[in-house]
Amino acid sequence: DTEVTQTPKHLVMGMTNKKSLKCEQHMGHRAMYWYKQKAKKPPELMFVYSYEKLSINESVPSRFSPECPNSSLLNLHLHALQPEDSALYLCASSQKPGGLAGGTTGELFFGEGSRLTVL
Amino acid sequence: AQTVTQSQPEMSVQEAETVTLSCTYDTSESDYYLFWYKQPPSRQMILVIRQEAYKQQNATENRFSVNFQKAAKSFSLKISDSQLGDAAMYFCAYNTDKLIFGTGTRLQVFP
Repeated sequence: DTEVTQTPKHLVMGMTNKKSLKCEQHMGHRAMYWYKQKAKKPPELMFVYSYEKLSINESVPSRFSPECPNSSLLNLHLHALQPEDSALYLCASSQKPGGLAGGTTGELFFGEGSRLTVL
Repeated sequence: AQTVTQSQPEMSVQEAETVTLSCTYDTSESDYYLFWYKQPPSRQMILVIRQEAYKQQNATENRFSVNFQKAAKSFSLKISDSQLGDAAMYFCAYNTDKLIFGTGTRLQVFP
């Protein structure tokens, strides 16, 4: 199984709603990532979890709250979002954190993304 | 700081022809990995090819090959015998403790 599965594929929410994005992988990877991607732009890193612990937070607003319940699951909790938060949210995983320093290629495996629209 | 630059926002190629996408990067590291990812309209980022910096031999995956010039910090992607399904955004990426993406090149393939 070389898949990263994201749900839901599409989400529409109001600015007062609370919702969550979910990501799952069964490749035994120990690093998981959340990226935000605007149209025609490259993905921007939001969070990195290494061995189920948050290792990188790229100064993301607190209305985005990540959670890693176990080594296979990654959630992104959304609350009080703004219309400018509308984007494609990509989840990814890699064998280990740290890329070459971690003894791996650093290749990321991506899910299909969750398209979020905030009204 | 590491940066990745793709100077071609858009490229086009005719089916069955060859196209080269450019990428340059900046780093002070000696060992690292470079990647080309493809993102079709279906949205999923798919790895096209990987290059290890300490290997002088250019990586090849079927119709995809790279021209890796370490001294020049250049990492271009050549697509041979282009197919309609190659149409996508292509991102060059450099790996450190996190993956750094270039700005992308949109490739159109014409029949």
